Amino acid sequence: DAGITQSPRHKVTETGTPVTLRCHQTENHRYMYWYRQDPGHGLRLIHYSYGVKDTDKGEVSDGYSVSRSKTEDFLLTLESATSSQTSVYFCAISESYKGPDTQYFGPGTRLTVL
Amino acid sequence: TQLLEQSPQFLSIQEGENLTVYCNSSSVFSSLQWYRQEPGEGPVLLVTVVTGGEVKKLKRLTFQFGDARKDSSLHITAAQPGDTGLYLCAGAQGGSEKLVFGKGTKLTVNP
Repeated sequence: DAGITQSPRHKVTETGTPVTLRCHQTENHRYMYWYRQDPGHGLRLIHYSYGVKDTDKGEVSDGYSVSRSKTEDFLLTLESATSSQTSVYFCAISESYKGPDTQYFGPGTRLTVL
Repeated sequence: TQLLEQSPQFLSIQEGENLTVYCNSSSVFSSLQWYRQEPGEGPVLLVTVVTGGEVKKLKRLTFQFGDARKDSSLHITAAQPGDTGLYLCAGAQGGSEKLVFGKGTKLTVNP
């Protein structure tokens, strides 16, 4: 199994509070991704990173920011959480520099915003 | 706009039956991947197909990439309860680093 961990695994927070989710990898892969998974919508890309300090938006980036200061860590921040951000968040990594390759997924973080 | 349409959305069958799930698009993809996801876990890659018309077999699972590289299918022979899960297709376009995922087919195989 690829070495990907996500923390926390579960979190309950209140509307308006900031939340940071962490993805940590031990594979030294270049690409890292944050997805959210919701019933009826499947997996949707929030943000991704193609190197340290290099990030770009996905299809559902509003209300989220990311940072990658080290190869191994990719942080997802909800500046002011809303109930619509209640979801399961998955981090994924990929090593290919020629385009999408196998994406290895973390175990997910279940976030509930009350 | 959902680029990849998966059907059926839900499928409940008895052990030993055969089934096919589909992943369709009006767009061309340079490759298509199939993932399986079990409850409480992240998706795990089953196969990648890259050539139009390509067929790959993984034990009882057969994957096919359409000739025009716009669609794919997954056929399971003699389904077993261990095949239960959410099957996701994902496509890559051109030189993009990103994958587009379908919404998934939730398969339940009853003993």
